[in-house]
Amino acid sequence: DSGVTQTPKHLITATGQRVTLRCSPRSGDLSVYWYQQSLDQGLQFLIQYYNGEERAKGNILERFSAQQFPDLHSELNLSSLELGDSALYFCASSVDAWTGAGNTIYFGEGSWLTVV
Amino acid sequence: GENVEQHPSTLSVQEGDSAVIKCTYSDSASNYFPWYKQELGKRPQLIIDIRSNVGEKKDQRIAVTLNKTAKHFSLHITETQPEDSAVYFCAASMNTSGTYKYIFGTGTRLKVLA
Repeated sequence: DSGVTQTPKHLITATGQRVTLRCSPRSGDLSVYWYQQSLDQGLQFLIQYYNGEERAKGNILERFSAQQFPDLHSELNLSSLELGDSALYFCASSVDAWTGAGNTIYFGEGSWLTVV
Repeated sequence: GENVEQHPSTLSVQEGDSAVIKCTYSDSASNYFPWYKQELGKRPQLIIDIRSNVGEKKDQRIAVTLNKTAKHFSLHITETQPEDSAVYFCAASMNTSGTYKYIFGTGTRLKVLA
């Protein structure tokens, strides 16, 4: 158990719909990262938040948005869903966004999203 | 732009043999290099990491080496076992516009044949 909690574990929804994925970081971690992993693909970085503020942005579509709340949990919102958005969405957390050396990130179990 | 290349994409070895996975990074400012193991449908789990002030690190059957000059690092698994079969990802921690983020390699699917 990494200490990073993601909900829901599985989600099936129709095209055009909107879903929200939730992540609680490890206790004490200030940074939250979101990654997308399509079937048999690598880890695509979407976005990073540190202590409530957006810190880095990757290949995140305009239809997707995220935020980190004062209690440090984060939500990833996916709207106008398309079939190609079906993937495993991982949240990860780390202690410090600014320390490059030893800034280990730990992954949650992921949220499986299936768009039908 | 920032990039981490990982090779090979698939690797099959006989049980008991060694496996080596190599990664090359582009940003010379990268200073932290973790390796993750991901079993099918599971989360990536950190198995070993190395910082830029160290050239080699070993933990039982796994080791990582870093060549800062050449900007590449490698994962070595000795005496492979069937339970080592998984996808392995390397990553480099890079400074982008004043903040650090991770760039992952594309993964190596390791199959250990019994």
